[in-house]
Amino acid sequence: DTAVSQTPKYLVTQMGNDKSIKCEQNLGHDTMYWYKQDSKKFLKIMFSYNNKELIINETVPNRFSPKSPDKAHLNLHINSLELGDSAVYFCASSQDLGNQPQHFGDGTRLSIL
Amino acid sequence: QQQVKQSPQSLIVQKGGIPIINCAYENTAFDYFPWYQQFPGKGPALLIAIRPDVSEKKEGRFTISFNKSAKQFSLHIMDSQPGDSATYFCAARGNTGKLIFGQGTTLQVKP
Repeated sequence: DTAVSQTPKYLVTQMGNDKSIKCEQNLGHDTMYWYKQDSKKFLKIMFSYNNKELIINETVPNRFSPKSPDKAHLNLHINSLELGDSAVYFCASSQDLGNQPQHFGDGTRLSIL
Repeated sequence: QQQVKQSPQSLIVQKGGIPIINCAYENTAFDYFPWYQQFPGKGPALLIAIRPDVSEKKEGRFTISFNKSAKQFSLHIMDSQPGDSATYFCAARGNTGKLIFGQGTTLQVKP
């Protein structure tokens, strides 16, 4: 029933590790996004994919690599985790690039020890 | 030019009050202005949105006022309830479909 689902909900790991966050949407949308929300709740887009094609790639370190195996999935892989990567990561989707609204998942809280 | 400035950072009102949250932008190419509501532990959810050719939009207790010449827009919540306590984000859409969010306003409605 969940429209945009992310796993895991919580991720606690050591600095230097590599981790992945998975996202799936069952809305039939063409466009998916990754956002980062910092400790001050500021929400900033990282990537967007439209029909599995990368559209937006903000100035995100190349340790972050999104992968879209199909339109319904957009995963985020992070290499060599750093303390500053601690945040809540949200996946979202919209019908297409020009069409809003964006539907958000409930987030993955990433904590780096 | 890509910023959206939101104020206040936090707001406390009594039940029944009318909290007002303000946003300002610089980029005249922005073409869509949504407000999102976020509860703790949840993702943001669209509340109401407006396009720049309209000066006001109302949905239930929520109203957006839009001033194109001043490049400002605001959210008014009529007859606010404790269940409205949440963080509110304004946003603006740029030419690649990218949403640029304001800094957020934490609203507390006291019973």
